[in-house]
Amino acid sequence: DGGITQSPKYLFRKEGQNVTLSCEQNLNHDAMYWYRQDPGQGLRLIYYSQIVNDFQKGDIAEGYSVSREKKESFPLTVTSAQKNPTAFYLCASSHPGTGILDGNQPQHFGDGTRLSIL
Amino acid sequence: GENVEQHPSTLSVQEGDSAVIKCTYSDSASNYFPWYKQELGKGSQLIIDIRSNVGEKKDQRIAVTLNKTAKHFSLHITETQPEDSAVYFCAAKVERNGTASKLTFGTGTRLQVTL
Repeated sequence: DGGITQSPKYLFRKEGQNVTLSCEQNLNHDAMYWYRQDPGQGLRLIYYSQIVNDFQKGDIAEGYSVSREKKESFPLTVTSAQKNPTAFYLCASSHPGTGILDGNQPQHFGDGTRLSIL
Repeated sequence: GENVEQHPSTLSVQEGDSAVIKCTYSDSASNYFPWYKQELGKGSQLIIDIRSNVGEKKDQRIAVTLNKTAKHFSLHITETQPEDSAVYFCAAKVERNGTASKLTFGTGTRLQVTL
């Protein structure tokens, strides 16, 4: 079955350390996204990528970096510059929109990675 | 940019009763409105969506209504069951040709179905 796989499920970061969250999809989707979820808040977009070797900042990109070297993979690095990294991180994918009323695929989400600070 | 407000933040209903969650959006260009269900420790799952060319969509016990004039849309769950207990998120976006769409999410509603 196709889907999105995020790993690890739980991750701990030390002060000054960079950590990388993995996201892999076998849905043949062109577009991939990273969201951050904090208690009492909606999902906030960190970065998104419409196609391989291209990515754009979302609403809260500071302190994060991404790469999109392969269609299937969109890893997120939480850098030491991100001062409040504790959150639940969700990766998603979709086909880019090709028309308002066509079968544009809604975003599919992975199971998430919970990042905490040691 | 788009702003989505969601109410209530928590909702408790008895098994068998109906539950209604409401969202309002600010960008009149928004034309796609999905609803996601998030169970504890899991990622979100799309449960139903609606596009601006229709006013209502139903899938078994779940329905979504859209009022474009008032810029609000609602999730209706009938005959609720304990497994409906979860956090529900609404979202809105503008679908455009050839462009990956950015969703704007509401703040979520924690639904508790009691026996």
